[in-house]
Amino acid sequence: DIVMTQSPLSLSVTPGEPASISCRSSQSLLHTNGYNYLVWYLQKPGQSPQLLIYWGSNRASGVPDRFSGSGSGTDFTLKISRVEAEDVGVYYCMQTVQTPPAYTFGQGTKLEIK
Amino acid sequence: QVQLQQSGPGLLKPSQTLSLTCDISGDSVSGNLVAWNWIRQSPSRGLEWLGRTYYKSKWYNDYAISVKTRITITPDTSKNQFSLQLSSVTPEDTAVYFCAREMSNAFGIWGRGTMVTVSS
Repeated sequence: DIVMTQSPLSLSVTPGEPASISCRSSQSLLHTNGYNYLVWYLQKPGQSPQLLIYWGSNRASGVPDRFSGSGSGTDFTLKISRVEAEDVGVYYCMQTVQTPPAYTFGQGTKLEIK
Repeated sequence: QVQLQQSGPGLLKPSQTLSLTCDISGDSVSGNLVAWNWIRQSPSRGLEWLGRTYYKSKWYNDYAISVKTRITITPDTSKNQFSLQLSSVTPEDTAVYFCAREMSNAFGIWGRGTMVTVSS
């Protein structure tokens, strides 16, 4: 299986400041169709995960534009341009490139507000 | 608006079979370009994908290797739902189980989760 490694595992951010989370995969997530099969989720306290970014850099419907995804191959980054209080929770990356499917998640990065 | 409603028992004894159902509203279990997944989450294993079912001229299933010998995911077109069965459970199967809709290689819609505890 592809191993997903996130860093840092936790971060504390002042509201209005930016935040960045890294996700690295043990194999390339770049599909032959040119898309990176890398997904970002946010799991708010007591809730199910919610989709933020798919195909590495496409924001899901309703996701604020302060969230952006970038990267290719094995190195990816989720950036929050200006953190708000509602952004607290655990952020996960996930790969969906493997065929047959063996989707795997990162360990999660917990974001807190200072 | 697509919604997923999960149901099923939350307490099992070792060796029993876990059975959960996910009712779909706002979409069809046999819809095009979508797949219906089960994922679980525990403190020890984190988020773990278990498997999926989808329709593309016929029904297909994919399962995680870790549970492949014990898992069955079944669609029910008459009730517009899909179900998870996991046999021979042990305490290691204790987790929150989620159903989710997969589209564009991502889980865009999730159920609320069902806490399943395996204990004698």
